[in-house]
Amino acid sequence: EVQLVESGGGLVQAGGSLRLSCEASGFTFSSYWMQWVRQTPGKGLVWVSRINSDGSSTSYADSVKGRFTISRDNAKNTLYLQMNSLRAEDTAVYYCARESFWSMDLWGQGTLVTVSS
Amino acid sequence: QSALTQPASVSGSPGQSITISCTGTTSDVGGYNLVSWYQHHPGKAPKLMIYEVTKRPSEISNRFSGSMSGNTASLTISGLQAEDEADYYCCSYAGSNTFIFGGGTKLTVL
Repeated sequence: EVQLVESGGGLVQAGGSLRLSCEASGFTFSSYWMQWVRQTPGKGLVWVSRINSDGSSTSYADSVKGRFTISRDNAKNTLYLQMNSLRAEDTAVYYCARESFWSMDLWGQGTLVTVSS
Repeated sequence: QSALTQPASVSGSPGQSITISCTGTTSDVGGYNLVSWYQHHPGKAPKLMIYEVTKRPSEISNRFSGSMSGNTASLTISGLQAEDEADYYCCSYAGSNTFIFGGGTKLTVL
């Protein structure tokens, strides 16, 4: 089955760190660019980060630049998001998504990150 | 960078057509033909409905269509059905390997 499964969310104190994982299956993970998108409680989707197929190129939203790091392990079919210096406003459901034709054609179910202040 | 502008809510009766607009700038929507639309039922994974402004994934009903004029993209849903009730988001490439979403529109099927 073609799917993405996120994990690693949880409750963390402000200033703390968390690493999210996204395990891919059912498709050739190493061929695709990947993205992270988040949704804060009661609000809309917000783009977070993007990585190319071999991990050599990354980009970030201004709100997370310098604090979050996207990476991937193609041997493990896994995408990561290392989140440091977490703030209350980072509280959200984090989705990983597969990119195709400048859009996100496959999404995971999301993992909830709660940052307590 | 502010989110793309979408109406907060739209509504329509079964069988009717509705259109959701998504307004950006020449730095995003108007600068690239790279707008996509997503359907999101709360608690579920978002679903791609339209990509590259007008293209539809093979599994998506032809009741969904996309268009663009200037800095505004639009999603039209014809023959509204109860299961279309959801949140809809537009997204555009914004240059420098970044993307920007709209604020989302809640569609109510009356």
